[in-house]
Formats: sequence, structure tokens, C-alpha cells
Amino acid sequence: KAGVTQTPRYLIKTRGQQVTLSCSPISGHRSVSWYQQTPGQGLQFLFEYFSETQRNKGNFPGRFSGRQFSNSRSEMNVSTLELGDSALYLCASSLEGQGFEAFFGQGTRLTVV
Amino acid sequence: KQEVTQIPAALSVPEGENLVLNCSFTDSAIYNLQWFRQDPGKGLTSLLLIQSSQREQTSGRLNASLDKSSGRSTLYIAASQPGDSATYLCAPIGFGNEKLTFGTGTRLTIIP
Repeated sequence: KAGVTQTPRYLIKTRGQQVTLSCSPISGHRSVSWYQQTPGQGLQFLFEYFSETQRNKGNFPGRFSGRQFSNSRSEMNVSTLELGDSALYLCASSLEGQGFEAFFGQGTRLTVV
Repeated sequence: KQEVTQIPAALSVPEGENLVLNCSFTDSAIYNLQWFRQDPGKGLTSLLLIQSSQREQTSGRLNASLDKSSGRSTLYIAASQPGDSATYLCAPIGFGNEKLTFGTGTRLTIIP
């Protein structure tokens, strides 16, 4: 079956712009989590959605937001982009979250110039 | 706050050797622990999931153990191959939240 699909794979944006990233989970998975990966900070948790509700949120500013649709697809939005937002953004899906194996997509590489 | 340490940070070994990667975590109240590999510029590939009630999990040449009381997990790779070259990450999940807490990983290079 198809894995986790993230689009687009690469993005270049200018400071101050906003961006939306998309994640389609494995069919049947209801939990979607987002992570930011940078060389300096490693992998950091952004937020987790389950059945269209945000269940958990990491320690990121309000410029980072997300949502989940009824088909479990999720989007992440970053407003007023800063240079420090340049990172690999990874999405993970699992059947129901905690206790279930998490599967990651290939990520979206965001570069802010 | 959960903190995860992986030792060594980097490891180079000749092909065919058996090797052990270590992971330690500060909060032993975990639900489960997952091991991943990451190739440069790519996403994470799940290797093994160990439930808190388990002590070991095996998949092919990989074996992962978990000792919750001491806050440690190890990943054993048997008969290493060049294709095993990647960064290996461990991530425990704590009770009451849905997030994986990652270590900084071990960068493994298998020399042909």
C-alpha cells in the first residue's frame, strides 16, 4: 500500500511570505504528526492531529499552524517566514498515535531566502 | 522533559562486522520506543517498534532491546553491509503525549 506522501518535495520562499505543506497519510491511519528537522536542533515535534483535532502541540510560535481534514490528510502552514524556518519538514502517520508504529514521509525541504 | 542521547555520534566499521548502537533516555515512563534510519536528505524509515512490555524485537539482521528501568535501548546490527550506511535514530514515546522524542542519532558508515 502507498506510504506517507508529502508535497511539495522542495520549496523556496522569501522572508515574510507564508507557505502551506501537505501530507497524505497511509490509508486507514488517523493520526498525523509534523516534525521540523534542522542541523542545529535536530528533529523537533510541531503538532499532532487525530480525527481532525489537534491533540498535542510542541514548543513552536503561533506562526506554525496545522489542520486535518476528514480524510485524515493534513496541512501545515507557516506564516511570516523567517530565515530560521529553513528546514526539512517531516510528516508521520500512525493508526491511532501512541503505541502504534509511526511511518514518515520523504519530507518537504523548505528554504527561506 | 525527555532527553535522548545516542552514543557513539559516528561509527565506521568494515563490512561484515556486528555492531551495537546505544540509546539512553532520561524519563523511563515511556509507552514504547521506535528505531529509525535516515538516509541523507530523506525521510525516516521505521526499523523496529518495541512496546514497553517487551524487552526485545527482531527484524532480519536487526535486534533491538529495551530496558526501561535503566533508560536504555540498544540496536544490534549483524553482518553489516554497505547499504546499512545511514543515520540511526531512536525515539521513545512518553505517556500522555503523542510525540516521538529523538536523539541526535548515530551516523553509521560501513566500509566495503
